[in-house]
Amino acid sequence: RKEVEQDPGPFNVPEGATVAFNCTYSNSASQSFFWYRQDCRKEPKLLMSVYSSGNEDGRFTAQLNRASQYISLLIRDSKLSDSATYLCVVPGTGRRALTFGSGTRLQVQP
Amino acid sequence: DAGVIQSPRHEVTEMGQEVTLRCKPISGHDYLFWYRQTMMRGLELLIYFNNNVPIDDSGMPEDRFSAKMPNASFSTLKIQPSEPRDSAVYFCASSRDVPGSYGYTFGSGTRLTVV
Repeated sequence: RKEVEQDPGPFNVPEGATVAFNCTYSNSASQSFFWYRQDCRKEPKLLMSVYSSGNEDGRFTAQLNRASQYISLLIRDSKLSDSATYLCVVPGTGRRALTFGSGTRLQVQP
Repeated sequence: DAGVIQSPRHEVTEMGQEVTLRCKPISGHDYLFWYRQTMMRGLELLIYFNNNVPIDDSGMPEDRFSAKMPNASFSTLKIQPSEPRDSAVYFCASSRDVPGSYGYTFGSGTRLTVV
């Protein structure tokens, strides 16, 4: 099983829609997780951290399900500017660095 | 802070040539990471440093790749000789810690094309 797996998409949704992405991970010892956003031909940027209880930031909600080993990102009231690739990120164990998923592409259409 | 600074932004080189990519991390970040991104393989960790010392280089593809960090404000990734399959975007990132409690900050990347 890969360390982190994501549905590559693309997810094509109309403006105003609610969309959710899931990401599964294999390392049950992982403690903190992240969602990064990457625009076309740009660098990845931190969108949200995901802790044990999940968290919310405006239209974005990230949740963690340890039992099933997945994290999710929910985007409400999608905007055109939300169009990007969303990368799920999990920490490694010990001295290992963060592992990035291959990303889920979101295209919000007018 | 200027963020993580990488150079060059774009590099086109011929197969067999030496390529050197450069990175300046954010001041005060003790960890520096080199990642490579391709459509097929996504974002892969190549190597990371802590206080200028290489900690995990298990992602370095082969002997043609080498990385150094002579001081806290500068790192290089060198490919010699380069091959077409090395074509990718190479990102440098820095952080205060390896789990990235506050996330990693990435540079703008170097888009390498080997022809």
